Amino acid sequence: DAGVIQSPRHEVTEMGQEVTLRCKPISGHNSLFWYRQTMMRGLELLIYFNNNVPIDDSGMPEDRFSAKMPNASFSTLKIQPSEPRDSAVYFCASSFGTPDYGYTFGSGTRLTVV
Amino acid sequence: TQLLEQSPQFLSIQEGENLTVYCNSSSVFSSLQWYRQEPGEGPVLLVTVVTGGEVKKLKRLTFQFGDARKDSSLHITAAQPGDTGLYLCAGATLGTDKLIFGTGTRLQVFP
Repeated sequence: DAGVIQSPRHEVTEMGQEVTLRCKPISGHNSLFWYRQTMMRGLELLIYFNNNVPIDDSGMPEDRFSAKMPNASFSTLKIQPSEPRDSAVYFCASSFGTPDYGYTFGSGTRLTVV
Repeated sequence: TQLLEQSPQFLSIQEGENLTVYCNSSSVFSSLQWYRQEPGEGPVLLVTVVTGGEVKKLKRLTFQFGDARKDSSLHITAAQPGDTGLYLCAGATLGTDKLIFGTGTRLQVFP
């Protein structure tokens, strides 16, 4: 398996533009997580899905952020409109069963909003 | 809000030294995991500890879960430059699939 695949690896956009981050989880994993990592706040959980259904979006910072999982092999995180304070590394992770089995993370998308 | 505090935040040591990283919380977790993250990559799972008081060893790394399942430690014996990275603990919240990550410990091992 190729692991969790995220695209793009890097994204530079202007303030106000829409940004879409993509994630392909590991085949067979039934949970998918979006995290954001910054120096100041560390790794923060934004939202997670179980069997393609959003379970907890309490970490989504504002209505400008939205996430979808239309099927078991694809998820998107969208920011519209983007702001400079959204600059961070966004990680997608997937897992099978309980958290005790651990998460497999993608390589992340480094987002810079100028 | 559940918080996992790690200490120290930064650690710079010479090859061959021993070190311990601590992960503390006021919350109880069903399990606790340790990850290592290298620049430009996502965190990679090292170990999961489930039972209070559990000790697991991975070569030179020893992981312990506190008796009350609120804290954990990672001990590295004879550190090597290849151990350099960001170490993250993560607690599994009771009754959910969520992992809450700690504040991180950045380790640098010099040859």
